[in-house]
Amino acid sequence: AQSVTQLDSQVPVFEEAPVELRCNYSSSVSVYLFWYVQYPNQGLQLLLKYLSGSTLVESINGFEAEFNKSQTSFHLRKPSVHISDTAEYFCAVSVRKTSYDKVIFGPGTSLSVIP
Amino acid sequence: EAQVTQNPRYLITVTGKKLTVTCSQNMNHEYMSWYRQDPGLGLRQIYYSMNVEVTDKGDVPEGYKVSRKEKRNFPLILESPSPNQTSLYFCASSLGWGNQPQHFGDGTRLSIL
Repeated sequence: AQSVTQLDSQVPVFEEAPVELRCNYSSSVSVYLFWYVQYPNQGLQLLLKYLSGSTLVESINGFEAEFNKSQTSFHLRKPSVHISDTAEYFCAVSVRKTSYDKVIFGPGTSLSVIP
Repeated sequence: EAQVTQNPRYLITVTGKKLTVTCSQNMNHEYMSWYRQDPGLGLRQIYYSMNVEVTDKGDVPEGYKVSRKEKRNFPLILESPSPNQTSLYFCASSLGWGNQPQHFGDGTRLSIL
């Protein structure tokens, strides 16, 4: 069965430091990959996605993620975090089923940026 | 403004008292879905709908019902709520599925006593 693993449930990091949030998935078929961000008391918002083409994808607020097919990973990185980046981050994988594409979410990583 | 609207945002109720959580989207999306979010488990899909009158079970459908009579609305029904259904619920919609990102509502926090 397909699954998504986010190894770190909580990541504290000082402001302006770099951060990496890890995501690994298990699937034997082609997938689409997403990172969503959830701010307190809000729904999830799309941060970035990988569908095809360049394996490095970027968001408008400085995050980037790299698709590594051999390691089945899609880690999220930011070179310098801000207080406003404090949120829950979810990795999601879309996998082809018989009649539709199923989206599987990881358990989430809580990023806390320390002033 | 493109949005997914859920109501209510918060609800405390008692075991066995039927309740409905409404979900409406204004983007003419075909695909809609309900998730529950529990600590350490991420989001788990309850039900999904690929279009009007087309619904199917997700990973955790027990104790829930849905309907899709109109494209914009996708209500979640708990016929006889139980305490294990206490959770944070999200409705989402997307233009299609697979390579299309989902748009989420702000969530409904249900407490079943």
